[in-house]
Amino acid sequence: SYVLTQPPSVSVAPGQTARITCGGNNIGSNNVHWYQQKPGQAPVLVVYDGSDRPSGIPERFSGSNSGNTATLTVSRVEAGDEADYYCQVWDSSSDQEVFGGGTELTVL
Amino acid sequence: QLQLQESGSGLVKPSETLSLTCAVSGGAISSGGYSWSWIRQPPGKGLEWIGYIYHSGSTDYNPSLKSRVTISVDRSKNQISLKLSSVTAADTAVYYCARGFSHSSWHFDYWGQGTLVTVSS
Repeated sequence: SYVLTQPPSVSVAPGQTARITCGGNNIGSNNVHWYQQKPGQAPVLVVYDGSDRPSGIPERFSGSNSGNTATLTVSRVEAGDEADYYCQVWDSSSDQEVFGGGTELTVL
Repeated sequence: QLQLQESGSGLVKPSETLSLTCAVSGGAISSGGYSWSWIRQPPGKGLEWIGYIYHSGSTDYNPSLKSRVTISVDRSKNQISLKLSSVTAADTAVYYCARGFSHSSWHFDYWGQGTLVTVSS
């Protein structure tokens, strides 16, 4: 089945930009969705269809996708952005939704 | 505002069947254009999709769980259900229900708070 690879952790200072990657074979041809999950809480959708934001999600969250890598970018990082982030795609070869392993974002 | 609330047994014995329900409020399950999913997360680990039930009533399941999973809908009660048979300790997880929405592909825009199910004798 399709494998999505995320770095286990990313660290960034407040006010800087965090980039969280999601690697997969030709992922650029897929629609990628991103979720934020804080400890003890359910995931929250932050980007869908690669680069669209649900209402209520700050413009600081943006997405891009090309080739073998999709990227979630968090600009002007705040302490409240500390969370685990997951990417998700539909794998048409095995007819299933696939999640990446998750990336823990730490704000220094 | 749409709300989803999972409920069910928090402790299941090995080899038995896990049963959960997800009550939906603030919107009708029968509204077209949406799907309803179960997703689980073992303690300290990542997310795993279990399956969908679509507005039409058709289902899609994770191939690795397909032989053990049934997702159904009770439109009169506005709830969806999950049954997972022959459970083992590996099925211990927080189980979430979520609404699926698709512009180009399905994504999960509303989630329940999750319910922890422990498989143990």
